[in-house]
This record gives sequence, C-alpha cells and structure tokens, in this order.
Amino acid sequence: EIVLTQSPGTLSLSPGERAALSCRASQSVTRDYLAWYQQKPGQAPRLLIYGSASRATGIPDRFSGSGSGTDFTLTISRLEPEDFAVYYCQQYGSSPTFGQGTKVEIK
Amino acid sequence: EVQLVESGGDLVQPGRSLRLSCAASGFTFDEYAMHWVRQAPGKGLEWVSGISWNSGTIGYADSVKGRFTISRDNAKNSLYLQMNSLRPEDTAIYYCAKDFISYTSGWYFPGDWGQGTLVTVSS
Repeated sequence: EIVLTQSPGTLSLSPGERAALSCRASQSVTRDYLAWYQQKPGQAPRLLIYGSASRATGIPDRFSGSGSGTDFTLTISRLEPEDFAVYYCQQYGSSPTFGQGTKVEIK
Repeated sequence: EVQLVESGGDLVQPGRSLRLSCAASGFTFDEYAMHWVRQAPGKGLEWVSGISWNSGTIGYADSVKGRFTISRDNAKNSLYLQMNSLRPEDTAIYYCAKDFISYTSGWYFPGDWGQGTLVTVSS
C-alpha cells in the first residue's frame, strides 16, 4: 500500500496569500496518478486536480498541481475566502489511498 | 447534473450487518466505475471499495476485505455496499462516488460524490 504524507498539517494564511501544500508518497506513484480534493465542513469532497496537474472542470486557475514520482504539490496562488478548507491528496495508480489532509485556515 | 444519493445508514451493534444503497442519476450509470469512500468522525478520507462498470473488477481496502461486499445493478442505476461483522471502527460517513473516466477495466478516481450516509457501530 502506498502511504501518502501531507504537510503541513495546518497552514495559517491570510486571504490573498499563496498556499503550497505538499503530498509525499512512500513509493513512486504510477503514471503520476495523483488527485487533489477540497472538503469544507459538512460537505462532500470536491475534485480539484487529477493526473498531478490537470484541473477539473470549473476549478479556478488559481489552483494548480505539480510534481511527479513521490513528491507532489498543490498551489493556490492567491487565497480567496472560499478556499479555506481541508485538502486531501489521493493516489490511484495502485489500490487507492488518501493522505491525512492539510487544513488551510484563516490567520 | 450528476446526482448520487446514499441511504441505509443507521446505528447498529457490533457484529451486525447493514446494507448501504446509492441511487444514481444524471449520467449513464452503466458506463462508469463506482466507489465507496468513508470518513470517520473528525478524521480523513479512506477508500473502501471500487467496482468497474460491468462488475468485472472489484477491489477492497484491507480493513474491510472479507467483511464488505460491493455490488451494482445497472438496470436500477444503483450501487450497494453489504457490510457484515461490523466493528466500532467502521463508524463513519460513507460516500458513494462516480469514477471520473468511463469504460475503464478497473477504476481511476472519484469525480462526483454524494452527500454521504452515517453508519454508527456501537452497543
């Protein structure tokens, strides 16, 4: 099983700032099959990024994904008030696994 | 618009069984693999099980293998999760999710999610 470790656990930032969230895999992710999801309290997760860097339909371009192999990053270029949430990475190259999440909170 | 509506969640005693259902609409159900993903209270997401569009490929997380069974009825646009020998650690919101890509031999990743149904395992 591929273990995904997200860091930091919590990111305290102000609106307008840049956020960089890390997702590190215990072994190489096949074909960079990595997705990112956003989850707000009381809501289901929402797909943001797949294939490491492809944005899902309707996702603003301030969200971008990068990385390959074992190291991946989700970047939010300028935080909007609605971006404060928990973010999860997920690999789907083998039996799917999720990271433990990074909470982006308002500073 | 894709709609996924889970049902069947309840409070059950350890060792008992429960069957979850997911009613799908707004897309061609029999073209897509489906997933169950759960989230324990205050915790992260855990992939539970997946089933290909034609039920030809099925998979489970190690934590539920041998206890849970996923199935689908394409004629009824429905997904199911039969959960046996339930444990307190199975307590979670269970989400039904549609795979992102159609007609795959297995599955890729959840693209659309339902709102979930709560399963509580406690005596």
